[in-house]
Formats: sequence, C-alpha cells, structure tokens
Amino acid sequence: DQQVKQNSPSLSVQEGRISILNCDYTNSMFDYFLWYKKYPAEGPTFLISISSIKDKNEDGRFTVFLNKSAKHLSLHIVPSQPGDSAVYFCAASLVYSGGGADGLTFGKGTHLIIQP
Amino acid sequence: DGGITQSPKYLFRKEGQNVTLSCEQNLNHDAMYWYRQDPGQGLRLIYYSQIVNDFQKGDIAEGYSVSREKKESFPLTVTSAQKNPTAFYLCASSIALGDEQYFGPGTRLTVT
Repeated sequence: DQQVKQNSPSLSVQEGRISILNCDYTNSMFDYFLWYKKYPAEGPTFLISISSIKDKNEDGRFTVFLNKSAKHLSLHIVPSQPGDSAVYFCAASLVYSGGGADGLTFGKGTHLIIQP
Repeated sequence: DGGITQSPKYLFRKEGQNVTLSCEQNLNHDAMYWYRQDPGQGLRLIYYSQIVNDFQKGDIAEGYSVSREKKESFPLTVTSAQKNPTAFYLCASSIALGDEQYFGPGTRLTVT
C-alpha cells in the first residue's frame, strides 16, 4: 500500500512558466514533508520541507503548499529554468507517539522536463 | 568538505556472492539510512540506524544486513538471499531520525 503518491510520472513545462508538482499521502500521522531533487545516477538532494503546523513554506523560486485536510502537498517552481529538469521526490516523515520516527517514506517521483 | 561518500560507484558481482556496500559520513549525524531505487520506483527503505550500535529494519530488509559500529560508518551487505539485488543503492544521513536526510552519490550494483 503506497502511503505517498505522486500520480504524474512526468511533467513538461516551458521555461519561464510555473511548474507545479503534486503529492498525496494517505497516513494522517505524517507530520513533516520534504521535496528532493534527483539527477540520473546521483543521490537526491534536499530541496525544501514543511512541517504540518504550516500550510506554506517558501525558499527562493520554490514554494511548498500543504493542505492537511486533503492530505495533499504541492511544490511550485517559478520561474522554471532548464536546470530544474530532474526527478522530484515527495517524502513524508512519521512521528510515533513516543517521539521517535523512522526513515522517510518516498513517492515514486515525477520527472520534470523544462522545455526551452 | 563535509558529506557522505559511497564506494564504489559501480559494483559487479556474480549471483550467490555476498557483497558489502560502503557508506561513510563526516557530518556528525546520528541517524543513517539505506535505500534502494529501481526503475520507475521511488526510494524504498532497507535499514536505518538511529545511533551507534542500533539499527532497525525498513520496508524491504529481507536479504540485507547492516552494522553500525562507528558513528561515521553504516555498511550494507547484500546477501545471496536477496532475490533481486541489482539496483541503485543510496545511503543517507540526518542529524536525528526524522530530520531532512542528506544523500550520498549512490552505488549501482549489478548481479549476474
């Protein structure tokens, strides 16, 4: 059962426009969400995160929105640049009542292609 | 430079052999993780370690083993019991469990 879902395997956006990557989750206990960017044959790099107590977090061209009631988050990139072409993974962290947490649960990724 | 290193980048093994993948970090992070990535799949958690001398199974631990004798090192052994060992293996670390993770460059293991 996939707890973190990225339903779009790929997304093509024109340079300069806004890229919107979506992510849905099923486990309401998740309380920390992250986006990673990955180039082929490299490890993912951390991009931006959001805690469940917020609904928006912004860092330069990247903004993450969280809608807890819908169990949905999205990553907005504006303006999109050619170097943004990569696979983007959404991830969620589960905090147990004891205060601990295990590894992140990742979605399958969305391949973003920025067209000139 | 602080970071996570994984070696080698490419590894080839014959079926039936155990193989150990190296992961070292000098970020002074307590938590370390191993994931595998297969084509069209997200990252799946194999094992994680919250602190030295402690580790826990992730979602797909069968056929794998780990050790955490030193804070900086978290080697992963892919045993002959792992049915589909060919994959891209990623090691990560974080300050504490649940924090954002920093990934190494990965090791691509091919077993024939």
